[in-house]
Amino acid sequence: SQQGEEDPQALSIQEGENATMNCSYKTSINNLQWYRQNSGRGLVHLILIRSNEREKHSGRLRVTLDTSKKSSSLLITASRAADTASYFCATDGRGQGAQKLVFGQGTRLTINP
Amino acid sequence: GAGVSQTPSNKVTEKGKYVELRCDPISGHTALYWYRQSLGQGPEFLIYFQGTGAADDSGLPNDRFFAVRPEGSVSTLKIQRTERGDSAVYLCASSFGGARETQYFGPGTRLLVL
Repeated sequence: SQQGEEDPQALSIQEGENATMNCSYKTSINNLQWYRQNSGRGLVHLILIRSNEREKHSGRLRVTLDTSKKSSSLLITASRAADTASYFCATDGRGQGAQKLVFGQGTRLTINP
Repeated sequence: GAGVSQTPSNKVTEKGKYVELRCDPISGHTALYWYRQSLGQGPEFLIYFQGTGAADDSGLPNDRFFAVRPEGSVSTLKIQRTERGDSAVYLCASSFGGARETQYFGPGTRLLVL
């Protein structure tokens, strides 16, 4: 069963606009990671945020984490056509099973030129 | 350096057949993971190796699924008596350590059972 839920399931915006995707999860975590997937194949790691961090930046990406609400957001600024992909959040738990990632269903992002 | 590689890229088989899917992790990564992704869903965990041993196989759906990593590097996921419901993309990932490390994914093997 999936732990995470991404919101929205699909997002379509114009090139140059900002895209925000949200993720909620259910149990305590060590880390939360965001991945991108093109055409249903391999996942590309974007960013990892630890449970004691609240915000992290990487290039045009900004990730926030609110452990009290069990939620995270991914912001892509100044979007480009090449950002079109599915985006997944993934969490790892604490204790036994900490090594396996639990993914949400993903947000399908379309950037229109 | 080279990333995680998986072979074959695509596999078409008939119901009831046996298949093997191979994963070559990033050199030096001790941890290896298998996930399965159905259409429109996120990946679901199958099994995790630390070195040669399966440290967590709680995600394997039934005893038709088995995975090995005999030398602590390459891993093979084996599916016996395949069923149409096994059709999915099988993803392999590796990480330098284990828990709390970034997992790097391969391109996946798309399995279609007819």
